[in-house]
Amino acid sequence: AQSVTQLDSQVPVFEEAPVELRCNYSSSVSVYLFWYVQYPNQGLQLLLKYLSGSTLVKGINGFEAEFNKSQTSFHLRKPSVHISDTAEYFCAVSDRPGNTPLVFGKGTRLSVIA
Amino acid sequence: GAGVSQTPSNKVTEKGKYVELRCDPISGHTALYWYRQSLGQGPEFLIYFQGTGAADDSGLPNDRFFAVRPEGSVSTLKIQRTERGDSAVYLCASSLFTSSGELFFGEGSRLTVL
Repeated sequence: AQSVTQLDSQVPVFEEAPVELRCNYSSSVSVYLFWYVQYPNQGLQLLLKYLSGSTLVKGINGFEAEFNKSQTSFHLRKPSVHISDTAEYFCAVSDRPGNTPLVFGKGTRLSVIA
Repeated sequence: GAGVSQTPSNKVTEKGKYVELRCDPISGHTALYWYRQSLGQGPEFLIYFQGTGAADDSGLPNDRFFAVRPEGSVSTLKIQRTERGDSAVYLCASSLFTSSGELFFGEGSRLTVL
């Protein structure tokens, strides 16, 4: 079965600094990767996804992630964070895209400090 | 509304009671998922419907948990003889039958078992 490890439970970072949130997944023949964000008192929403093609994926709000098959990683990055990026971020994996349950990591709480 | 709607948003009950949580997916979405999110954890898969039938119920923790989707739209998650360990946020998500892999989440129902 697929699994996801988010190595950092909490990441504090100063405003306008870069950030990287780490995600590693269990290896599989085919893998499809997602990052979701959960703002306080809101539902999860999709930031970006990797299904195939270019390994560098750009998402909403200036976030991007790179699929690295050899390191089984899908780290999320943003070059300059804002206070409004404070939220919980979840990495998720599936071995079939579309209409199959995603397996989520435990989440990383990003706290942006003014 | 246009999004996934979950009711109630908060439910407090006593140990041993029966609880129903409702999910109204985005109109036209054929797939519906239930997840459970405990404090400090990522969403944990419970059950997935494709149309009216449960395509995968492998995440249901025991036979106290049951879910239905009789007309292929609204779904109800039913928990019998609630236990304190059932306290969590229950998340519902829906998706189109496509290969995009994106799940659209509701804001969740917070269940507290006293």
